[in-house]
Amino acid sequence: ETGVTQSPTHLIKTRGQQVTLRCSSQSGHNTVSWYQQALGQGPQFIFQYYREEENGRGNFPPRFSGLQFPNYSSELNVNALELDDSALYLCASSSGWGLINEQFFGPGTRLTVL
Amino acid sequence: AQSVTQPDIHITVSEGASLELRCNYSYGATPYLFWYVQSPGQGLQLLLKYFSGDTLVQGIKGFEAEFKRSQSSFNLRKPSVHWSDAAEYFCAVGEDTGGFKTIFGAGTRLFVKA
Repeated sequence: ETGVTQSPTHLIKTRGQQVTLRCSSQSGHNTVSWYQQALGQGPQFIFQYYREEENGRGNFPPRFSGLQFPNYSSELNVNALELDDSALYLCASSSGWGLINEQFFGPGTRLTVL
Repeated sequence: AQSVTQPDIHITVSEGASLELRCNYSYGATPYLFWYVQSPGQGLQLLLKYFSGDTLVQGIKGFEAEFKRSQSSFNLRKPSVHWSDAAEYFCAVGEDTGGFKTIFGAGTRLFVKA
């Protein structure tokens, strides 16, 4: 059983560009959540997808968008990158609906915006 | 809105000494509470969780936490710290309103001295 994987590991972009980050869920998991972790801070919830539908969203602007695919892998897209978007982006997968199901986190993608 | 406060940015303890990491939350109903650990270069790992029932919960790696509703606290404890426990620890609360999300505290960095 493989865990949650994310790609790429590191990424450097310039302000105004667009970026796509990818996440493969742990086998059997149908729920994916994305978090942004700025340096020295705790993760901040971006949004969650359950069976390909957005199931909750944090306080992030619309230029943060996502997708979940039929195999439950997921993408996070960020348009019009800003310097403050520099952070570690974490993906977490879980099985089923609700908070009672443990979230398993991937190692993250480190995004640097110059 | 829910919030989580971890009053200590960093804590240093000697190996073999006991540990208590503080966490206070703000939430109107019975919260879902979690403690995660993040080691350098590693993803977040769930140490323990509280949903209901016994207010003293046991977790992995010898950690435990106690839910105190009257104090809105969920402090993490370990009787004897090992050098390998040096990491960042995050307290989190689960919110279930219009979708599920997890709100993290800013974290406490634990240093262990020999």
